[in-house]
Amino acid sequence: GQQVMQIPQYQHVQEGEDFTTYCNSSTTLSNIQWYKQRPGGHPVFLIQLVKSGEVKKQKRLTFQFGEAKKNSSLHITATQTTDVGTYFCAGGSSASKIIFGSGTRLSIRP
Amino acid sequence: KAGVTQTPRYLIKTRGQQVTLSCSPISGHRSVSWYQQTPGQGLQFLFEYFSETQRNKGNFPGRFSGRQFSNSRSEMNVSTLELGDSALYLCASSPMGPSYEQYFGPGTRLTVT
Repeated sequence: GQQVMQIPQYQHVQEGEDFTTYCNSSTTLSNIQWYKQRPGGHPVFLIQLVKSGEVKKQKRLTFQFGEAKKNSSLHITATQTTDVGTYFCAGGSSASKIIFGSGTRLSIRP
Repeated sequence: KAGVTQTPRYLIKTRGQQVTLSCSPISGHRSVSWYQQTPGQGLQFLFEYFSETQRNKGNFPGRFSGRQFSNSRSEMNVSTLELGDSALYLCASSPMGPSYEQYFGPGTRLTVT
């Protein structure tokens, strides 16, 4: 069946360093979403990418969707302590079907 | 707009019992999805309801069931609870479906002893 793999599982960085998490699907996706879950909280929607090769930015966050629509990445420039949490990608293949990646937990040394 | 609400927030049950969890979506949202979150398995999709119809179902045993009412409120039921059912159960609402922007509720923390 369809799988969405996300790496790395954990990332521990010094505040101010960059951070990247990668997502790979076994099948072509119709879109990909990214969510952030703070410790003890619930997932919060960050962004959705739909077009092949799409790149979107939100302040220090850059999201990319691969040309083949099978992979995606989230890059954070100059991390801050407020970036702590688990970042999930979620691949959509139809309106009613979505598969979440296993998440990347980001921790930051102040 | 009020966010997604889930009740109860915490629940302790004994193995073999059954449990019903409730989710009220954002007003106007017709799609409600349910997820199980555990430390080892991440976010696992249970099922999605749209306008009272189940459109999609994940790979969970038949002990897990759900329904959606005409006001889009949804319930999830787990029968014959097992220890492994201990998890955070999240519901998410969306205007069109989980493949679009989803808004998650705070979750129900279920502990089975």
